[in-house]
Amino acid sequence: GDKVKQSPSALSLQEGTNSALRCNFSIAATTVQWFLQNPRGSLINLFYLVPGTKENGRLKSTFNSKESYSTLHIRDAQLEDSGTYFCAAAPGGNYKPTFGKGTSLVVHP
Amino acid sequence: EAAVTQSPRNKVTVTGGNVTLSCRQTNSHNYMYWYRQDTGHGLRLIHYSYGAGNLQIGDVPDGYKATRTTQEDFFLLLELASPSQTSLYFCASSDAGGVNQDTQYFGPGTRLLVL
Repeated sequence: GDKVKQSPSALSLQEGTNSALRCNFSIAATTVQWFLQNPRGSLINLFYLVPGTKENGRLKSTFNSKESYSTLHIRDAQLEDSGTYFCAAAPGGNYKPTFGKGTSLVVHP
Repeated sequence: EAAVTQSPRNKVTVTGGNVTLSCRQTNSHNYMYWYRQDTGHGLRLIHYSYGAGNLQIGDVPDGYKATRTTQEDFFLLLELASPSQTSLYFCASSDAGGVNQDTQYFGPGTRLLVL
């Protein structure tokens, strides 16, 4: 099975609403990254996490290594948040991240 | 911000053809990676390297070779291209062991079509 599972696989949001994306791991991850692939195809770093929480503007991410999951919260969704969100997890001392299959997000007016 | 460039940006070849994809990073990162992205699979790791002359096998290496000639340059080689290798290829680099350890910075991607 997939070592990194993302849910939901697709999501539609109205502008101004909030939502959460989730990433579950079946590997002993010690670090997590979140990326946004925009509609032009570019991969943009959002967060790099060790266990804990980080916040950047309308985005907040939490990584719980004991329960093997990470979440990405989007507050006040905007049209430019549309794209595909990927999480990637890596075990300790192994600089070989494993990616999930992504969550496709569409924000509509 | 790390700078990772890839060339070519688009490539068309025929089955059995020989293709080399190039990647260069200019921030002295030690790790470099090659991924392929296909619908329904996300990003899958082909090969990676932690320095010049080093090569590590990824999760989907069959049909691919790679070579890290310098700290800056990492090449992906398809010596007998097949239609199954039609994909979007990304290169990435990271400063593993640094403050942000394996934060990855991605290039813009190369679209490869094998006819």
